[in-house]
Amino acid sequence: DVVMTQSPLSLPVTLGQPASISCRSSQSLMYSDGNSYLSWFQQRPGQSPRRLIYKASKRDSGVPDRFSGSGSGTEFTLKISRVEAEDVGLYYCMQGTYWPPITFGQGTRLDIK
Amino acid sequence: EVQLVESGGGLVKPGQSLRLSCTGSGFAFADYTMSWVRQAPGQGLEWVAFIFNKPHDGTIAYAASVRGRFTMSRDDSRSIAYLQMNSLKTEDTAVYFCTRGDSTSKIDHWGQGTLVTVSS
Repeated sequence: DVVMTQSPLSLPVTLGQPASISCRSSQSLMYSDGNSYLSWFQQRPGQSPRRLIYKASKRDSGVPDRFSGSGSGTEFTLKISRVEAEDVGLYYCMQGTYWPPITFGQGTRLDIK
Repeated sequence: EVQLVESGGGLVKPGQSLRLSCTGSGFAFADYTMSWVRQAPGQGLEWVAFIFNKPHDGTIAYAASVRGRFTMSRDDSRSIAYLQMNSLKTEDTAVYFCTRGDSTSKIDHWGQGTLVTVSS
C-alpha cells in the first residue's frame, strides 16, 4: 500500500500569513499517463470534506486562488498564500494512482494563532 | 449542482447488519465511479469501497479491513449506490461518506455523511 505522510500535523497560523502543508508518498505517484493523482481536501469543522486540488496542482472551480498545489514524484505541497479565518479546519492529501487501496494522509489541523 | 445524500445509518449491536444508501442528483450518475469513505470519531479519513461504472464492468474494490463483510453495489436506473455492511464490529463505528469520482480523481465530491454506531 502507498503510505501518505503529512507534516506538520498541527499548523497554527497568523491571519494574513502564508501556510504550507507537506505530503510525502512512499512511492512515486506518477502514473503512466504522466499525471500524479494526488488530491488535497479541506474539511471545515462539522462539515464533509471538499476537494481543493487534483492532479497535484489543478485547482477546483470555486476554490480561492490563494490555494495552490505543487510537487511531483513523492513530494507534494499545499500552500495558502494568505490565511483567512474560513481556512480553519483539517487538510488531507489523498493518492489515487496506485490503488486499491486509495490512501489518505493523517490530516493537518490548521488553526489561527 | 452535484448532490450526494446518504441514508441508512444508525445504532446496531456487534454482529448485526446495516445497509447504507447514497442517492446522487445533479449529474449523470451512470457516468461516474462511486466510493465510500469513513471517518471514525476524532480520526482521519479511511477509504472503504469503490465501484467502477459500466464501461469498466462495474468492478468493485474493498479495503482489507472490510473485505468479506461489506458489499458495495449500484443501481444506475435509480442513481443510488449501496453499502451492505454485515458482521459489524465496534471498530466500524464512523461517519460514512458517499463520494463520486471521475477521470480527474477517484474522489471529487462528497455527501454529508451518515453516522453508524456499533455498540452493545
